[in-house]
Amino acid sequence: NAGVTQTPKFRVLKTGQSMTLLCAQDMNHEYMYWYRQDPGMGLRLIHYSVGEGTTAKGEVPDGYNVSRLKKQNFLLGLESAAPSQTSVYFCASTESPGLSDTQYFGPGTRLTVL
Amino acid sequence: AQSVTQPDIHITVSEGASLELRCNYSYGATPYLFWYVQSPGQGLQLLLKYFSGDTLVQGIKGFEAEFKRSQSSFNLRKPSVHWSDAAEYFCAVAINDYKLSFGAGTTVTVRA
Repeated sequence: NAGVTQTPKFRVLKTGQSMTLLCAQDMNHEYMYWYRQDPGMGLRLIHYSVGEGTTAKGEVPDGYNVSRLKKQNFLLGLESAAPSQTSVYFCASTESPGLSDTQYFGPGTRLTVL
Repeated sequence: AQSVTQPDIHITVSEGASLELRCNYSYGATPYLFWYVQSPGQGLQLLLKYFSGDTLVQGIKGFEAEFKRSQSSFNLRKPSVHWSDAAEYFCAVAINDYKLSFGAGTTVTVRA
């Protein structure tokens, strides 16, 4: 049981390039999330999904797109990377809706945009 | 709007000393509160959570937190820190059924 995994771990992009970050979970969780972490700002929610085939905007969605074609995978895309998107990206998942439910986090992807 | 404030950006503590990390929340209803820890280069791991009942919550790794409604606080404590407790700690509040709002985090340095 690997939990939540993220690919890649590190990436360097040039401004204007595109890329996709992959998040996979093997816990059969319904809900999945993408966050970005920046110094002094904690984690901010980019997009989330409440089930296969669904996506919704979070707090900072601009410049990102997501897809949830399979229940176990949640993809985060950057169509035209900008230096402001330099950050550490975390994926998380949770089993079901509930205020007390725990979110399980992946190890993160460190992205640098030059 | 719901929010979480962690007043301390950085705390340094000696190994074996006690630790307290502060968390204040702003929320209209009964809050569901969490503490997560992030070790260097790692993802976040849940330490403990509060959603009802006893206001003193026990977590993993010897941590506990106390919910005080009158002070809108959910402070994290550990009686005796170990070098392995050096990490960044995040307080979070559930803002609806499936979204968390995180504080900015507190970095803990443990000196020998």
